[in-house]
Amino acid sequence: KNQVEQSPQSLIILEGKNCTLQCNYTVSPFSNLRWYKQDTGRGPVSLTIMTFSENTKSNGRYTATLDADTKQSSLHITASQLSDSASYICVVKQSNYQLIWGAGTKLIIKP
Amino acid sequence: ETGVTQSPTHLIKTRGQQVTLRCSSQSGHNTVSWYQQALGQGPQFIFQYYREEENGRGNFPPRFSGLQFPNYSSELNVNALELDDSALYLCASSLDPQGQETQYFGPGTRLLVL
Repeated sequence: KNQVEQSPQSLIILEGKNCTLQCNYTVSPFSNLRWYKQDTGRGPVSLTIMTFSENTKSNGRYTATLDADTKQSSLHITASQLSDSASYICVVKQSNYQLIWGAGTKLIIKP
Repeated sequence: ETGVTQSPTHLIKTRGQQVTLRCSSQSGHNTVSWYQQALGQGPQFIFQYYREEENGRGNFPPRFSGLQFPNYSSELNVNALELDDSALYLCASSLDPQGQETQYFGPGTRLLVL
């Protein structure tokens, strides 16, 4: 079954600290993997897109990694800010139109 | 702001009614996808429209239908509403129906079915 699983389900860290979110997938055939940030009640915003051949991609303080062999990805956030509080969703593209979405990790940054 | 707009922002309906949600895609984008997001869960793909034709569909019943217009704006219609249809409905536009390009999401329409 094509699935995307994320961990942890939720995370609370202090402002300024780093954190890493995990994504494991069993989607096949694989085309690309995306990380989205979703603020409460708003639409998701794309952070990174990685294809099979890309191991890492950065977007400011966000760095995503991909291991296509183990089917794992991570999103590392450096020097967290209060505005980073949101849900972070891992999405794997399976076919021409089908995207398999994870349930997300809810991140809370405390001052 | 992504340039993708949705209307209405909130909607309350009763079971059995019909609803139409609207989405205006980002300028130049010919592909629109619709998603249903239940509280605390990730979005579930409903369907995608490319140049006015449906070119992909998720695991949703036929009472979920859509349209895309020549200006690439889109509608999602849901008939015979059920309580479980209560969710945030998101539309996303992109340049590329193959999914290689970034999707830009609208703010969503929150539907409550009583």
